[in-house]
Parts: sequence; C-alpha cells; structure tokens
Amino acid sequence: LAKTTQPISMDSYEGQEVNITCSHNNIATNDYITWYQQFPSQGPRFIIQGYKTKVTNEVASLFIPADRKSSTLSLPRVSLSDTAVYYCLVGTHTGGGNKLTFGTGTQLKVEL
Amino acid sequence: EAQVTQNPRYLITVTGKKLTVTCSQNMNHEYMSWYRQDPGLGLRQIYYSMNVEVTDKGDVPEGYKVSRKEKRNFPLILESPSPNQTSLYFCASSSYYRGLGTEAFFGQGTRLTVV
Repeated sequence: LAKTTQPISMDSYEGQEVNITCSHNNIATNDYITWYQQFPSQGPRFIIQGYKTKVTNEVASLFIPADRKSSTLSLPRVSLSDTAVYYCLVGTHTGGGNKLTFGTGTQLKVEL
Repeated sequence: EAQVTQNPRYLITVTGKKLTVTCSQNMNHEYMSWYRQDPGLGLRQIYYSMNVEVTDKGDVPEGYKVSRKEKRNFPLILESPSPNQTSLYFCASSSYYRGLGTEAFFGQGTRLTVV
C-alpha cells in the first residue's frame, strides 16, 4: 500500500474553508484515495473517495491532480463539529484482504 | 439501519482471564476486520476476514484470536489478556468490489483495560 503524508494538525475558524493535502508519491495505478473522519473515542467514518480529477458529495470535495501523487480534501464552511482527525488512505480492495493502513492523520481544530 | 455493533463498549478485566469482544454487521459484507488504536500509534490491524471461515493476520495479531463461522459475526478473542493489550478496539466491515477503493464501516469501539 502506498504511504501517505499529511500535516499533523491544522487550525481554522467557523465558516472558513479548510483544505487538507495528502501526499502519496508511490500511488499505484489501481489505487483509490479515501478519506475518513474520526471523532474522539469513535470509529472512523468514511467521508469521500476518488480516483482522479474531482469528486464532490454533500460533505466534502476531493481534488486529485493528473499525476495523482497528492490529493486535497476540501471542507466548505467548517463548524465546531468538524473538529476531528482526518485520515487519508490509498489502496484498493482487490485481493489483500481489505487492509486499511491508517497513518496518524491530521487533527483539525475549529474555533469560533 | 446499516451498522456494525460491538459489545461490550467498556471492559475492565484482570490479566489472564479469557474474554471475547463480539462484532456483528447487518450489511451482508464479505470483509470484516479488527483494529486497535493506541495514542501515537494510530489504528493498527489485528486480524481480518475475507469471508466465512477465511481469516488472516494483520499487523499486530499476537495475543489475539478470531473466528468467522457466520458472515455477520467476527468475534475477537483474548485467551490470556495482558496489560499491553489495554487499548481501544474497533471492528470494521466492508463489501468487496473488484477494482474499487475501500469504504469501511466501523463499530463504536470497545475500550479494554487489563489490570
């Protein structure tokens, strides 16, 4: 599985847009990019997933450049409840037994 | 409601006393797995199962056992718990789609303390 690198922490204020970038230089052709959110003492929750270009859902957008060596999770107009750890994962379901490798993630803190 | 259910949520036990943490999913998922989460170490996979009667070791399997006799259940067994197994445990499940990425559903977590 490709290794990922994310900032350890980020601070923001309510109403701002937050962009968290993840570096994955060794991404393989079949790999997808998936982001999870985790609140303290809760299990991670799937946010968004993409392969290339841009993906948007009701929660976030995911921007993936053509070389796919990085990706950016964009959270529009964050609120206090978006304070959480965000994980970037790169991998595929094919074979391997569904091994999800979580790094240390990015701790996002949103303030008033 | 689609969910992964773990029990118990909290457990304090003594060294050497066998225990089982149950995990059940209602989404008919093929894949199930167990993770432990420790401060500074993130989530680490203990065991995973690709389907009924098919299990394999993850990154930190020592001291744990699992079984997958039914598709919906994937219990985690600690035959002789030790204090270094004090941790927050998560069960996860997902469906298999060839060529797609991974969207896993996690349980609420089980906080285990071994004294």
